Amino acid sequence: EPEVTQTPSHQVTQMGQEVILRCVPISNHLYFYWYRQILGQKVEFLVSFYNNEISEKSEIFDDQFSVERPDGSNFTLKIRSTKLEDSAMYFCASSEFGDREHWNTEAFFGQGTRLTVV
Amino acid sequence: KQEVTQIPAALSVPEGENLVLNCSFTDSAIYNLQWFRQDPGKGLTSLLLIQSSQREQTSGRLNASLDKSSGRSTLYIAASQPGDSATYLCAVTDSSYKLIFGSGTRLLVRP
Repeated sequence: EPEVTQTPSHQVTQMGQEVILRCVPISNHLYFYWYRQILGQKVEFLVSFYNNEISEKSEIFDDQFSVERPDGSNFTLKIRSTKLEDSAMYFCASSEFGDREHWNTEAFFGQGTRLTVV
Repeated sequence: KQEVTQIPAALSVPEGENLVLNCSFTDSAIYNLQWFRQDPGKGLTSLLLIQSSQREQTSGRLNASLDKSSGRSTLYIAASQPGDSATYLCAVTDSSYKLIFGSGTRLLVRP
């Protein structure tokens, strides 16, 4: 069964360092997302990406964050200068969408990357 | 601003019991509603998706209902098993296609 894959599963980084979290969405999906979950808190939306551009971003998604689809399969989240409060589980998700007559917005999530900033 | 609330926050039941998890949302302008399962330290597994035009969806022992006008959804789990122990998350898809999550219900099914 097709699935969203994320690498690495766990990343430890020093404060101020740049990290890149990688995702391979399901191959025929058109909408891609990043969410994060700080330990003990709700899953919260960061950014959505459609047609090679950001569709929407939350207040959390400030200038230190960026997303990219460098090729036909990968979708990345870059955090330029990590802070302690960026420590969280980061989830990538994708949705098929398709044509308007068969609009499939069900979101499928990867297993997450646990980012620890020390 | 859409807010999603889930009650109870935690639930402990003996094996075999039927149970209901509740989800409410403040803005009825949703595209659909999804229920997810999350095991500790793991990702989110989609259980059921209900389109805004639907009233319910069933998958095996799971049945989810949606009353969009009152901003409520329930997840019914029949004949609970210890393997059902997990956190169950409710999320609504808003008009910009992003998911807004509740805090979840942590379920423990005791053998």
